[in-house]
Amino acid sequence: DVQMTQSPSSLSASVGDRVTITCRASQSISYFLTWYQQKPGKAPNLLIYAASSLQSGVPSRFSGSGSGTDFTLTISSLQPEDFATYYCQQSYTTPYTFGQGTKLEIK
Amino acid sequence: EVQLLESGGGLVQPGGSLRLSCAVSGFTFNSYDMSWVRQAPGKGLEWVSGISSNGGATYYAGSVKGRFTISRDNSKNTLFLQMSSLRADDTALYYCAKDRGGYSNSWSGGNWGQGTLVTVSS
Repeated sequence: DVQMTQSPSSLSASVGDRVTITCRASQSISYFLTWYQQKPGKAPNLLIYAASSLQSGVPSRFSGSGSGTDFTLTISSLQPEDFATYYCQQSYTTPYTFGQGTKLEIK
Repeated sequence: EVQLLESGGGLVQPGGSLRLSCAVSGFTFNSYDMSWVRQAPGKGLEWVSGISSNGGATYYAGSVKGRFTISRDNSKNTLFLQMSSLRADDTALYYCAKDRGGYSNSWSGGNWGQGTLVTVSS
């Protein structure tokens, strides 16, 4: 199975900060990487697919990059509604696997 | 509007069985791959099982292979997950999710239900 490792596991930041979350795959997954945001008590929401494509309706302050094994999710200027948990998921091969999550908290 | 509504969760004893359903609307069900994803209380997301748009191909996580069976009824716009030999570590909120689409042999959760809770306990 492809193991997905996110870092950091948690992060404290302030409104307006630029934040980067990293996801590393245990083998090359090309560009088949998806990012989700999950708020407490809610289902996950797809933000970025194919490593760098912004899902319709997602604010442009979210961006993704990377290919192969190393990927990043960047939020250019944090807004209050962005405090949540973020997950990466490889969509390259079954079993599809998620990272352990990064909890983004208010500083 | 895309809607996915899971049902069938509940309390079951270890070793027992349960069948989850996911009724969908707002999109052409037989055109999309579907998956079940679970989340144990306070934990992260775990992909459990997936099925192709026509039901001809099914996939499972190692943790459930041989115990869970995914299926779909495209005439009724419904996805199923038959779970047997349930264990305490199967306790989780089970989401059904629709593929975002656009890439063959790949799955990303474009739309999700609100989940149904499965608790395995004596």
